[in-house]
Amino acid sequence: GDSVTQMEGPVTLSEEAFLTINCTYTATGYPSLFWYVQYPGEGLQLLLKATKADDKGSNKGFEATYRKETTSFHLEKGSVQVSDSAVYFCALSSMDSNYQLIWGAGTKLIIKP
Amino acid sequence: DTGVSQDPRHKITKRGQNVTFRCDPISEHNRLYWYRQTLGQGPEFLTYFQNEAQLEKSRLLSDRFSAERPKGSFSTLEIQRTEQGDSAMYLCASSRDRGLGTEAFFGQGTRLTVV
Repeated sequence: GDSVTQMEGPVTLSEEAFLTINCTYTATGYPSLFWYVQYPGEGLQLLLKATKADDKGSNKGFEATYRKETTSFHLEKGSVQVSDSAVYFCALSSMDSNYQLIWGAGTKLIIKP
Repeated sequence: DTGVSQDPRHKITKRGQNVTFRCDPISEHNRLYWYRQTLGQGPEFLTYFQNEAQLEKSRLLSDRFSAERPKGSFSTLEIQRTEQGDSAMYLCASSRDRGLGTEAFFGQGTRLTVV
């Protein structure tokens, strides 16, 4: 079945550092890909998404490009802030999953001032 | 649009008791999902509804768990004879049924602690 693999955390960076959180997927069809973020004590919220190959999703300075050839959707940000500290989840949905979200395990990001 | 709301936010119960959680989805969202999340893990799918019909239930879900969505509006998740292993965050999400790429909106969750 479809699956998502994320790099393990926690990832600890200093403020203004460059961020990459790796995400790769396995899917038999053509999934849509998502990054959700969960701030401490809050629910999950969509950060960005991409629905077809080579699409780039972006929001709040974060970007991710749907790479079908490498089955990846890595999350990047050029300069992180303390307020970016959260848990980030990569997810996919596809016809095979009946459009339900298949989740990665999440990556905890800690930004130190 | 007030977002997805869940009630209660926190619940502490004794082992063996029954608990019920409520989720109010965004109005006009016809899909409603329940997930369970434990610390350090991604959400684990429990069940989902399209309108009032429960279309899928996780094979891993114990028969102590039941969910309803009367009239396709709010939903309840009941856990009978709770066990310590049921301690987790229970998340509800809703979405429109627009196929691929449709965003799911999440509530803030109900944190269950079974003592």
